[in-house]
Amino acid sequence: QLQLQESGPGLVTPSETLSLTCAVSGGSVSSSDYFWGWVRQPPGKGLEWIGSIYSSGTTYYKPSLKSRVSISVDVSRNQLSLRLNSATAADTAVYYCARGFLLQNFDWSIGDLWGQGTLVTVSS
Amino acid sequence: QSALTQPASVSGSPGQSITLSCTGTSSDLGTYSLVSWYQQQPGTAPKLLIYDANRRPSGISDRFSGSKSGNTASLTISGLQAEDEADYYCCSYAGNRNWVFGGGTKLTVL
Repeated sequence: QLQLQESGPGLVTPSETLSLTCAVSGGSVSSSDYFWGWVRQPPGKGLEWIGSIYSSGTTYYKPSLKSRVSISVDVSRNQLSLRLNSATAADTAVYYCARGFLLQNFDWSIGDLWGQGTLVTVSS
Repeated sequence: QSALTQPASVSGSPGQSITLSCTGTSSDLGTYSLVSWYQQQPGTAPKLLIYDANRRPSGISDRFSGSKSGNTASLTISGLQAEDEADYYCCSYAGNRNWVFGGGTKLTVL
């Protein structure tokens, strides 16, 4: 059974880079039937899509975060990574990695599988 | 890319049917039917309930159903149960491989 597990520092200093990894077990991160994404949830608030990466290596980011965010995949380690530069208190959130999947009509959907999430606090 | 609009809270009694709404714009729900719904219990990750507007993943109860008309998507929960008390989020494709979530609805089972 495929599982996702996020990891990374729980505390980040303002202006520094927030870096997280998501280990994928029980399946391959390089399958063309899926894409991988990051979603965050500030305490007590709703979900926010951050960005996604496809098997081609192409990435897509939320426009308002595009200048600060980078998502990558390490096929050898079967994991994906998130980097968010110039972190501020507004980036404090639970960060989830999530899988997107290919529909029969070749459209995509998102979120059939989620990691447990990891809380990152941006504070000095 | 603005968040989809969901009512902050809804409530219902056990056995009732309730419908949660999710309103978007011509940039997302108005153009695409790639809408999904998630249930989130406190302290846990979201769980996919509906995808492609009205399709249920394997293992999801048929008490959950989805629909979409124009700029609005809906999630209907029939035969409401105490265990359905949770936060519910909608999500729509917004073009160019972008996705947008709603602000979430807190469902209270009275």
